[in-house]
Amino acid sequence: ETGVTQTPRHLVMGMTNKKSLKCEQHLGHNAMYWYKQSAKKPLELMFVYSLEERVENNSVPSRFSPECPNSSHLFLHLHTLQPEDSALYLCASSPYISTDTQYFGPGTRLTVL
Amino acid sequence: AQSVTQLDSQVPVFEEAPVELRCNYSSSVSVYLFWYVQYPNQGLQLLLKYLSGSTLVKGINGFEAEFNKSQTSFHLRKPSVHISDTAEYFCAVSKGGKLIFGQGTELSVKP
Repeated sequence: ETGVTQTPRHLVMGMTNKKSLKCEQHLGHNAMYWYKQSAKKPLELMFVYSLEERVENNSVPSRFSPECPNSSHLFLHLHTLQPEDSALYLCASSPYISTDTQYFGPGTRLTVL
Repeated sequence: AQSVTQLDSQVPVFEEAPVELRCNYSSSVSVYLFWYVQYPNQGLQLLLKYLSGSTLVKGINGFEAEFNKSQTSFHLRKPSVHISDTAEYFCAVSKGGKLIFGQGTELSVKP
C-alpha cells in the first residue's frame, strides 16, 4: 500500500463515546499533520508532529488528543465530543516539517450525534 | 499574518470551456503557493506549486497558474475543462511548512 491511509473512512459516535482515528503514511516522511475540514470553512490545522514530537497545537480543545508513536503512524483520540465536531478529519505528511508540499490521506468522515 | 482568499465559492462551466479560479493572498514576506484539488470523498491532491523561478507554473491534468507578485494573486487556469474536473479546488500559502488554505472553490463542469 502506498501514500497516506486513514481508518476508519466513516465514523458515527455519540457524545459520550471514546474512539480513535488512525493515519499511516508509507512515504518515509518525518512530519505528520491533522486537519479539520468543516463545511464552508477553510481547512484548519490542528496538530503538527515532527520526528514524533508535537511541534504545534493550534488551540484545539482537549477532547482531541493526538498520539504519534513513530514517524509512520499518527492517531487522533476522541472523547466527549460535541455535535459541532462533526467534520472530515484529514491526515497529511511531508518529508520534513520545513518541506512545503504535503501529501493527504482520504480523510475520516466523523459524525457526532 | 498570512491569509488566502478564493474569490468564487462556486464556478459552473460547460465542458470544453476555459476556466479560471481566482486566488489572492496577503503576506508581507515571500511565500510558497499551492493549488490542491479534492475530488468527492477523497483527500487533497497537489495540482501545482510555485516556489520560485518562472511565474507560470504548469501542473497535472492540464492546469496552470500564474504568480503575480504585484497583484498578490495566483489564479488557476485550464483552457478546456472535462467533466472529470468537477471537484473542489483549494489555494494555499505556506510559510515554514505551515499551510494556510482558502475557503475553496467548487468547480462544476456540465455537459
